[in-house]
Amino acid sequence: QQPVQSPQAVILREGEDAVINCSSSKALYSVHWYRQKHGEAPVFLMILLKGGEQKGHEKISASFNEKKQQSSLYLTASQLSYSGTYFCGTDYGGYQKVTFGTGTKLQVIP
Amino acid sequence: DVKVTQSSRYLVKRTGEKVFLECVQDMDHENMFWYRQDPGLGLRLIYFSYDVKMKEKGDIPEGYSVSREKKERFSLILESASTNQTSMYLCASRPGRGVGVEQYFGPGTRLTVT
Repeated sequence: QQPVQSPQAVILREGEDAVINCSSSKALYSVHWYRQKHGEAPVFLMILLKGGEQKGHEKISASFNEKKQQSSLYLTASQLSYSGTYFCGTDYGGYQKVTFGTGTKLQVIP
Repeated sequence: DVKVTQSSRYLVKRTGEKVFLECVQDMDHENMFWYRQDPGLGLRLIYFSYDVKMKEKGDIPEGYSVSREKKERFSLILESASTNQTSMYLCASRPGRGVGVEQYFGPGTRLTVT
């Protein structure tokens, strides 16, 4: 079952912040975040494991609330290069299969 | 530099044809995956393989089969292509049993079935 992402799309001005949410109906073992620019392959951003650990990547950070079975991606002081579609991927039991969400399209404008 | 390559970027086939999509990785990864990407539906897993000759169905395996005869190569087969299989197909690979490991994606094959 696919995790649910929200919002589906968002437009930001440079310098603004955004939050992308990823929710699952099943208990999560880990959450993966990827970004895909138009016409390119998805690129890894970060992985979060059980325990609520917050990890960062440049000005992008994320949290993982295993009780609520959800993860959030935080983009601060957005840059034009942040534009793309963001996917969360969930791993339900430590297996190698990762199930991805429907994606959130982010557009940063000057 | 890590690499996942797919045999074609664009492919046009006719309904009923047998179609082969090839994926090769040079990272000695145990796990390989085939996804299809459609607007509004995100990335949906078709099949994955965790070892040579081993495979498991993903979420949407109907109409597809796979083959993994060598560790570095994972093929997706459409036995009789249909128009509803027009999509972007992405291959990915990932190291074997390890916590917190990323997937590496290929550039994708945009398949059009007419």
